Amino acid sequence: NAGVMQNPRHLVRRRGQEARLRCSPMKGHSHVYWYRQLPEEGLKFMVYLQKENIIDESGMPKERFSAEFPKEGPSILRIQQVVRGDSAAYFCASSPGPGTTFIHGYTFGSGTRLTVV
Amino acid sequence: RKEVEQDPGPFNVPEGATVAFNCTYSNSASQSFFWYRQDCRKEPKLLMSVYSSGNEDGRFTAQLNRASQYISLLIRDSKLSDSATYLCVVNGNYQLIWGAGTKLIIKP
Repeated sequence: NAGVMQNPRHLVRRRGQEARLRCSPMKGHSHVYWYRQLPEEGLKFMVYLQKENIIDESGMPKERFSAEFPKEGPSILRIQQVVRGDSAAYFCASSPGPGTTFIHGYTFGSGTRLTVV
Repeated sequence: RKEVEQDPGPFNVPEGATVAFNCTYSNSASQSFFWYRQDCRKEPKLLMSVYSSGNEDGRFTAQLNRASQYISLLIRDSKLSDSATYLCVVNGNYQLIWGAGTKLIIKP
């Protein structure tokens, strides 16, 4: 049973390019959470998605950032026109749903480290 | 006031010592509590859930104080490999709320 799969592990983009980060949740998990972690800082919540629905995007910057979790395929976090300040580790976590989350917590992927040059 | 607050540390502790850190939470209705561990540049991993009566897992003991709205983590006989950031996690309405973490450094 594969865990949460994130790819790529490392991504280098030039300023102004687009970054696409992918997250495949664990089998049987339909809830996905994206977090950003800047160097030497804590986890910052970005967005919570269910299949085809955004449940909470209160942590997403208003511009350039978007997320989706289609019916088929992985969840995608998209950053348009990247800037140096977007350089960070982006972690995805998944769970079967709130009920199970509150018993067992989240399972995280290994993260994508985005570097903007 | 933050929903989940932790002392960022770092706590510098000699190997073999006992160390404890607390975490306070603001929502008195919270029912689920966890401690996660995050190693440098790695993903957070579940260390242990925290139960109302307190619970122990080897050298680690977690306690919950509902009246004062804090949870604690005690590490006995600390090892060099315990060096990490420890994240306190509490349930919100439909997702988990994360503290910023307490950094622990175990010194030989």
